Amino acid sequence: KNEVEQSPQNLTAQEGEFITINCSYSVGISALHWLQQHPGGGIVSLFMLSSGKKKHGRLIATINIQEKHSSLHITASHPRDSAVYICAVRSGSGGSNYKLTFGKGTLLTVNP
Amino acid sequence: KAGVTQTPRYLIKTRGQQVTLSCSPISGHRSVSWYQQTPGQGLQFLFEYFSETQRNKGNFPGRFSGRQFSNSRSEMNVSTLELGDSALYLCASSLAVRDTQYFGPGTRLTVL
Repeated sequence: KNEVEQSPQNLTAQEGEFITINCSYSVGISALHWLQQHPGGGIVSLFMLSSGKKKHGRLIATINIQEKHSSLHITASHPRDSAVYICAVRSGSGGSNYKLTFGKGTLLTVNP
Repeated sequence: KAGVTQTPRYLIKTRGQQVTLSCSPISGHRSVSWYQQTPGQGLQFLFEYFSETQRNKGNFPGRFSGRQFSNSRSEMNVSTLELGDSALYLCASSLAVRDTQYFGPGTRLTVL
């Protein structure tokens, strides 16, 4: 079992729909990241969170440390949101103990 | 402010050769991280540097090495290239370790 599991693997939505992408992890973490990767490879860091909830524009990220689960929500989705969304968890305290583990990503396609 | 730049953008090498990739962080950023992305394994963490010191290292063989210079520019080197080293190598910079990371466009390495 991977340490970081994302669901769904693929998601197709119509413009305007509310979208949720989930990330579950099995280790104790110090932080969780959500990344966005567009075709061609460019990666943008969307959120870094260790508790609670963060909001940026139409994007909302939440994390529940007790349940080892995070969600990324997109409100009023738009075709330009089409991308791969990747969850990554940071664990360990540094040096050889440090680990950054990535999920396999969720491919989101938003149709007009 | 200029973003993270990586050179070269594309590279073709043959098995057994070595390669050096370069990353110039955003001005003022002192932390640089390197990642490998392949279709099979997804994103994997290689190493993280801060103020010319390697702070964290991923689970890669010793053929993968890196360094950071006093101006925060970083290089990574892969010796004795193998076919499996074909990947997109991404560099990301941040003000400090554990801050939001800004990714470069990547170097696509093909090993023949």
